[in-house]
Amino acid sequence: NAGVTQTPKFQVLKTGQSMTLQCAQDMNHEYMSWYRQDPGMGLRLIHYSVGAGITDQGEVPNGYNVSRSTTEDFPLRLLSAAPSQTSVYFCASSEGRSSSGNTIYFGEGSWLTVV
Amino acid sequence: GENVEQHPSTLSVQEGDSAVIKCTYSDSASNYFPWYKQELGKGPQLIIDIRSNVGEKKDQRIAVTLNKTAKHFSLHITETQPEDSAVYFCAAHLSNSGYALNFGKGTSLLVTP
Repeated sequence: NAGVTQTPKFQVLKTGQSMTLQCAQDMNHEYMSWYRQDPGMGLRLIHYSVGAGITDQGEVPNGYNVSRSTTEDFPLRLLSAAPSQTSVYFCASSEGRSSSGNTIYFGEGSWLTVV
Repeated sequence: GENVEQHPSTLSVQEGDSAVIKCTYSDSASNYFPWYKQELGKGPQLIIDIRSNVGEKKDQRIAVTLNKTAKHFSLHITETQPEDSAVYFCAAHLSNSGYALNFGKGTSLLVTP
């Protein structure tokens, strides 16, 4: 009963380093997304995918890359980390469109600090 | 972009009292409005949602009301308990994607015994 699994839970990066946040879901969900959560800002959409091979940008995509080679996995790549990317990152998935009332399930989060 | 405004940002109530959190949205094409509860160190979890063809929905001690004409919706928690203490987020589906959600900034609810 894993749901949405994110790794790592915690990470400290130096400015300019690159890294990948991993996300996997075992519910055969069509839709996956990445949000970042900053104090007083709520959750903001970074990128999303509506199926394998299809990705699109959200509200705050700059500095992040994604790919969706399988239904299960949706990694988020930081190419050159900046202090402004210090945040908590949440991966989410749903069976279908939220407009059709499909529930979006979130992972437990990845705490990233860039120094 | 489309906005979801949420008020208040913090709310403190005594155990047994009711709590109300209000949200307004700007995208008139939004038709799905979920509420999430986030406990410390955890991801958001859905607690209740409402579609635009419904004005009110209840689930035990929680209820959500929707006024589509005024573009606002509210979360009502009755008989609050200390375990209700958490951050609550309202959201509205982003009509230009159909999949993603636009979130309010959250309400930190504290229920004191």
